[in-house]
Amino acid sequence: SQTIHQWPATLVQPVGSPLSLECTVEGTSNPNLYWYRQAAGRGLQLLFYSVGIGQISSEVPQNLSASRPQDRQFILSSKKLLLSDSGFYLCAWSHDYGYTFGSGTRLTVV
Amino acid sequence: DAKTTQPPSMDCAEGRAANLPCNHSTISGNEYVYWYRQIHSQGPQYIIHGLKNNETNEMASLIITEDRKSSTLILPHATLRDTAVYYCIVRTSNSGYALNFGKGTSLLVTP
Repeated sequence: SQTIHQWPATLVQPVGSPLSLECTVEGTSNPNLYWYRQAAGRGLQLLFYSVGIGQISSEVPQNLSASRPQDRQFILSSKKLLLSDSGFYLCAWSHDYGYTFGSGTRLTVV
Repeated sequence: DAKTTQPPSMDCAEGRAANLPCNHSTISGNEYVYWYRQIHSQGPQYIIHGLKNNETNEMASLIITEDRKSSTLILPHATLRDTAVYYCIVRTSNSGYALNFGKGTSLLVTP
């Protein structure tokens, strides 16, 4: 069966520090992968999506970047975090019956 | 993708049916209606989707009007664990494109 793993679950980072969030999918090949962010009390915002290795599309200009070094691995990064980067980050993959989301990473930038 | 309109919040008594409406008057012929829900501090969970026929699964029923301009998600016997934000999303079946979540309906199930 297909599963999606996302870590860490929670993270507290100082302003200006780097960030790396990892997402991996098991049980499928060549999945479409997505990074979403949800700020406190807000809706889900699409950040990046990828249809294959090395293929990244960005939806909004921001302080973040994404990479897909392997077929089932999707990484969200930042060189220098801002306070406004705080939020709930979700990785997802799409399939015939819709989308499956990871359990999320709650990032607090202090 | 077609835009959807949902009420911002609804209440439902435990054990009663919860009927969550969604308007999608600009839906096109190849667009599906998807429903997801997000329980606090968790990722969204797929509930059901349909094209034009009514659909039912172990979680819910989806009723789509004949003109497809609106739909209703029905939770037949709401429980406290159904308290969540429910998102109605309209899009094509092409999984290469991301879901665009609106603000959804915050459903509160009360004892």
